[in-house]
Amino acid sequence: QVQLQESGPGLVKPSETLSLTCTVSGASVTSGSYYWSWIRQPPGKGLEWIGYIYYSGSTTYNPSLKSRVTISIDTAKNQFSLKLSSATAADTAIYYCARIAPHWGFLFDFWGQGTLFTVSS
Amino acid sequence: EIVMTQSPATLSVSPGERATLSCRSSQDINSNLAWYQQKPGQPPRLLIYGASTRATGIPARFSGSGSGTEFTLTISSLQSEDFAVYYCQQHNAWPPLTFGGGTKVEI
Repeated sequence: QVQLQESGPGLVKPSETLSLTCTVSGASVTSGSYYWSWIRQPPGKGLEWIGYIYYSGSTTYNPSLKSRVTISIDTAKNQFSLKLSSATAADTAIYYCARIAPHWGFLFDFWGQGTLFTVSS
Repeated sequence: EIVMTQSPATLSVSPGERATLSCRSSQDINSNLAWYQQKPGQPPRLLIYGASTRATGIPARFSGSGSGTEFTLTISSLQSEDFAVYYCQQHNAWPPLTFGGGTKVEI
């Protein structure tokens, strides 16, 4: 069974960089059959797609966040990561990692449990 | 950017009743629409893809329909475990991939 698990510090100060890692089990991030994505959800609000990465390192980002986002992949550790720079209170959210199975369409078939990231001084 | 609009924001129904949720896109997205269910404290779960195909393990009481700009998720007979928030997501044109604002199905 495919499992994804987010990890990282739960708190950063404004203007700092938010960093999260997603560890994948039950599937390989080197598989050319999938993409690996980050999505966030402010407390009590809806879902916002952040971006995704392919095993080759190719990335696609949400234009609204593109200038501040970097998604990278570590094939040796079967992980992918998110960095969001210049954080503000508006970046406080639950951050989910998820898998995209493009043979079904660019939708999210497996999700991590999510981790709350707070931006506060 | 394709904007997804869901209605109603909240739907109050009784167990055993039928629930009909709507999702509208600002542009034609063919059948490139997915539906997700999210319960409190949990990640979203994929219910429907291709507008009408149930994902693995999803009960037959969930059905999706529509194409173009108008889509519907129907829960034929609500069970207690179905009370949750439901989101639609388009994957016809990106970036960005976009979600609707959600419909909360409550008792």
